[in-house]
Amino acid sequence: QVQLQESGPGLVKPSETLSLTCTVSGGSMRSYYWSWIRQAPGKGLEWIGYIYYSGSTNYNPSLKSRVTISLDTSKNQFSLKLSSVTAADTAVYHCARRPRDGDYFDFWGQGTLVIVSS
Amino acid sequence: QSVLTQPPSVSAAPGQKVTISCSGSSSNIGNNYISWYQQLPGTAPKLLIYDNNKRPSGIPDRFSGSKSGTSATLGITGLQTGDEADYYCGTWDSSLSAMIFGGGTKLTVL
Repeated sequence: QVQLQESGPGLVKPSETLSLTCTVSGGSMRSYYWSWIRQAPGKGLEWIGYIYYSGSTNYNPSLKSRVTISLDTSKNQFSLKLSSVTAADTAVYHCARRPRDGDYFDFWGQGTLVIVSS
Repeated sequence: QSVLTQPPSVSAAPGQKVTISCSGSSSNIGNNYISWYQQLPGTAPKLLIYDNNKRPSGIPDRFSGSKSGTSATLGITGLQTGDEADYYCGTWDSSLSAMIFGGGTKLTVL
């Protein structure tokens, strides 16, 4: 069974860069897209972007200027960097797996709350 | 405001059936597959339906999905108190070039 686990700071100051890592266990990273999705408190889901195991990326246009997703297959990890954060970036950040041939997310991490505050 | 429109809440009694709608447009639901997710309180979303009407292994057949034109529906039969959760639809939007989700529907089993 594939498992995903997010890790990273729970508090980030405004204007700084949010950095999170997702560790994948129980399966290969090959032939999948590895995604970040966030959920602001009491709100719905927002797709941030994903990276294919080959390294190609696709970002939500609304966040594209601030987002970088990278991959380290040797460690079975992928990472999110979101720059110039504001309070509006406060959310639970989930990592998730998207199959190569499907527009859906079949495995999710439990999520990690990141608060943007000084 | 989400591109995909879901009712904020639905409710029904245990054992009954409920449907949750998801309305979009030709740039999303009309030309792409829809998926549905269940989010129990305090947990991560769980895939219920993919490719409009397919169930992943382990999802009971009480859950079903359908699509017609630019709308989709999630159906749940034999409601249980454990089904109380938020439900989200999701799909690719070709105009936005982004994965999008509905605003979510809170299911209450009375």
